[in-house]
Amino acid sequence: NFMLTQPHSVSESPGRTVTISCTRSSGSIASNYVQWYQQRPGSSPTTVIYGDTQRPSGVPNRFSGSIDSSSNSASLTISGLKAEDEADYYCLSYDSSISNWVFGGGTKLTVL
Amino acid sequence: QVQLQESGPGLVKPSQTLSLTCSVSGGSISSGGHYWSWVRQHPGKGLEWIGYIYYNGGTTYYNPSLKSRVTILVDTSKNQFSLKLSSVTAADTAIYYCARVSGYDFYFDPWGQGTLVTVSS
Repeated sequence: NFMLTQPHSVSESPGRTVTISCTRSSGSIASNYVQWYQQRPGSSPTTVIYGDTQRPSGVPNRFSGSIDSSSNSASLTISGLKAEDEADYYCLSYDSSISNWVFGGGTKLTVL
Repeated sequence: QVQLQESGPGLVKPSQTLSLTCSVSGGSISSGGHYWSWVRQHPGKGLEWIGYIYYNGGTTYYNPSLKSRVTILVDTSKNQFSLKLSSVTAADTAIYYCARVSGYDFYFDPWGQGTLVTVSS
């Protein structure tokens, strides 16, 4: 079993770039793809990144994903921040050992 | 464009069974090789995967921590799938979402709007 740990909150100014991390507690981050979901207040989650780095159609290229084996973590980077990006962001990956999908605890992004 | 909509009682008594239905519109539940999933979110908290069922209804996968209490079924004739969670307690109070899972890329999209279920006597 593993956990995905995210910072509780991050904040940045409009137009700037922010990166949200998602650290896997055990096993390699590269073992299973990581996905990222955006949840605006009062709304359902939507996918912003799947397959570590892929953007669904309709998601702006300001959103990008990556993984770093050295820190065993995945990252979501949002450039050119806009007020509409203010939301909670969750990472998600699959635990093959117990056939379970694991969400990170979520990160609240505030666009100042 | 596929849309999902959850329905069911908003209040369930402790020890009873929570039952929800997800209606799928804009596409057939039995096409495309998708999985159909339930995810919940405790008030003000993060997301928790409950389980999913393959489009043909033949295979189900459940969160090990909930497996003994969860049943997910698909009704292709009604283009719906359902969730039953037995022996509920206050800890099962949450917003319950249904979502489609791509059978190839395995990402959860789209999601329903969610329905709040409160467990209370």
